[in-house]
Amino acid sequence: KAGVTQTPRYLIKTRGQQVTLSCSPISGHRSVSWYQQTPGQGLQFLFEYFSETQRNKGNFPGRFSGRQFSNSRSEMNVSTLELGDSALYLCASSSRQGGPANTGELFFGEGSRLTVL
Amino acid sequence: GNSVTQMEGPVTLSEEAFLTINCTYTATGYPSLFWYVQYPGEGLQLLLKATKADDKGSNKGFEATYRKETTSFHLEKGSVQVSDSAVYFCALAPRDTDKLIFGTGTRLQVFP
Repeated sequence: KAGVTQTPRYLIKTRGQQVTLSCSPISGHRSVSWYQQTPGQGLQFLFEYFSETQRNKGNFPGRFSGRQFSNSRSEMNVSTLELGDSALYLCASSSRQGGPANTGELFFGEGSRLTVL
Repeated sequence: GNSVTQMEGPVTLSEEAFLTINCTYTATGYPSLFWYVQYPGEGLQLLLKATKADDKGSNKGFEATYRKETTSFHLEKGSVQVSDSAVYFCALAPRDTDKLIFGTGTRLQVFP
């Protein structure tokens, strides 16, 4: 069973540009979440999606957006990049369904490392 | 609000030493608790979890017990190996969500 796949693995952008990161969850997983990892702030939650609906959003500015497609693949977009957006962006999927349930295990991808110059 | 506090690193040990990494949490309700591990250049992997009070999660010789009375979830291993060198993250998730709240991570370095 293939794991969570994130593309691209590495990218370099300049301030003011925008970037789109892609995530393919484990087959059968419908829940996808995104996290930002930086040395200063650690791991911070960005978004959580289930069946194309955003269920939770972290405390990030509106420049950070995401979406989920009908095949559960997800993308996140960061517009007007700032130096502080340089980070490892991690995507995770789980088998958790939409109703009340104990939290499932998250399976993380290897991340997309974004450098903003 | 929800938060996780874990001990600062790095933790430096000799092979076969006993490991404890402390983790305490603040949460409303009854969250699930996790330890994730990140090896160099890799993403996060779930190490163990506990979903209710007094549960003990265990995997690969690591253990942690969900202590509601002390709001703690300390990670322990009786005998560490060089291959255990990694960054360990304590995390909690409120019920019915995949929104993980992570601690700052503790780097473990094990020397032969």
